[in-house]
Amino acid sequence: EDKVVQSPLSLVVHEGDTVTLNCSYEVTNFRSLLWYKQEKKAPTFLFMLTSSGIEKKSGRLSSILDKKELFSILNITATQTGDSAVYLCAVEAYSGAGSYQLTFGKGTKLSVIP
Amino acid sequence: NAGVTQTPKFQVLKTGQSMTLQCAQDMNHEYMSWYRQDPGMGLRLIHYSVGAGITDQGEVPNGYNVSRSTTEDFPLRLLSAAPSQTSVYFCASSRNRDSYGYTFGSGTRLTVV
Repeated sequence: EDKVVQSPLSLVVHEGDTVTLNCSYEVTNFRSLLWYKQEKKAPTFLFMLTSSGIEKKSGRLSSILDKKELFSILNITATQTGDSAVYLCAVEAYSGAGSYQLTFGKGTKLSVIP
Repeated sequence: NAGVTQTPKFQVLKTGQSMTLQCAQDMNHEYMSWYRQDPGMGLRLIHYSVGAGITDQGEVPNGYNVSRSTTEDFPLRLLSAAPSQTSVYFCASSRNRDSYGYTFGSGTRLTVV
């Protein structure tokens, strides 16, 4: 059974702090790892990672994947109150018959206080 | 371009009632899927489809049926609702085998009393 574990489950920081969110996984037939941000409604896509050691960056957010140690981190620098959300990690794995499935972790709830 | 559209946004059902949650996408995505999200459980896959006429079960399929008669639509049916099906349901789609993230609908909050 595929498994995705995120840590910490919740985190409270002050504006301006830097945070690191963790995601470890155990899946067969790994294809990619995805990060999402979920505020009140639907998850919104942040990054998709397929190769080890290549950092993906978007503004103050960055992420990297380690396929040997089976984990990924999501970094947020100079946090703002608008970064408050649940951050979801998902692993995409081949499930046979030409299809793929996403397995999600339980998420990390980030609260940024002024 | 509306992306992924889910209807209704909210629904209250009585135990034993049936209903269909609608999901439609206008991006010509072949892959579509349904998830439920419960507190402390994350998103769990119910059913998915890799194209019209093809569906398969995910992690938690019991109590749900799906069909995929067109590329655009992927309805989720609850045949006899139970309180355990109280949840927020999300539909998601992506391009087959070349996905660049999955696009999620805005969700349906279902309460079964």
